[in-house]
Amino acid sequence: DQQVKQNSPSLSVQEGRISILNCDYTNSMFDYFLWYKKYPAEGPTFLISISSIKDKNEDGRFTVFLNKSAKHLSLHIVPSQPGDSAVYFCAASATGSARQLTFGSGTQLTVLP
Amino acid sequence: DARVTQTPRDKVTEMGQEVTMRCQPILGHNTVFWYRQTMMQGLELLAYFRNRAPLDDSGMPKDRFSAEMPDATLATLKIQPSEPRDSAVYFCASGLGTGETQYFGPGTRLTVL
Repeated sequence: DQQVKQNSPSLSVQEGRISILNCDYTNSMFDYFLWYKKYPAEGPTFLISISSIKDKNEDGRFTVFLNKSAKHLSLHIVPSQPGDSAVYFCAASATGSARQLTFGSGTQLTVLP
Repeated sequence: DARVTQTPRDKVTEMGQEVTMRCQPILGHNTVFWYRQTMMQGLELLAYFRNRAPLDDSGMPKDRFSAEMPDATLATLKIQPSEPRDSAVYFCASGLGTGETQYFGPGTRLTVL
């Protein structure tokens, strides 16, 4: 049973436009959410996170939105750059779980020049 | 620039052989996680340690996998005997016990023939 789902395995966007990556979760105990970016032959790199007490967190070109009632979060990248092309993983954790992360299956983002 | 390091980066072995993967967490981090990435399962948590003590290894096949932290600067994941279905990329990640972000190493790509 996948508790964190990324339903789009891939996404292509034109350089300069907005990229929107989506993630849904089923476990209502999750209270912390993260996005990781992964390039080939490298480990996932932490990108941005959000606590469940917030509905938005922004860091430069990256913004994460959390809709708790819908159990949905999204990552917006504006403007998208070719260097953003990577696999993006959404992850979630719950208080008291020793911060174990449950990952989604990833979305391959390709930013076209 | 503090990073998680993993050795070896690539390992090709034959079925039945013992495999040992090593991880050096970021200095000062007291939580260490082992993940496995496969095409089918995505990123799966295998085991994790806090202050060198194993907290959960329920994600690991117990009969052939073992994880240890001989000291605070070294975590090991051992497979004995290895099987072709163990072929995957194995990631180590470390973090601070009270924080939520995990920092990943570059991974060990294991191929069991």
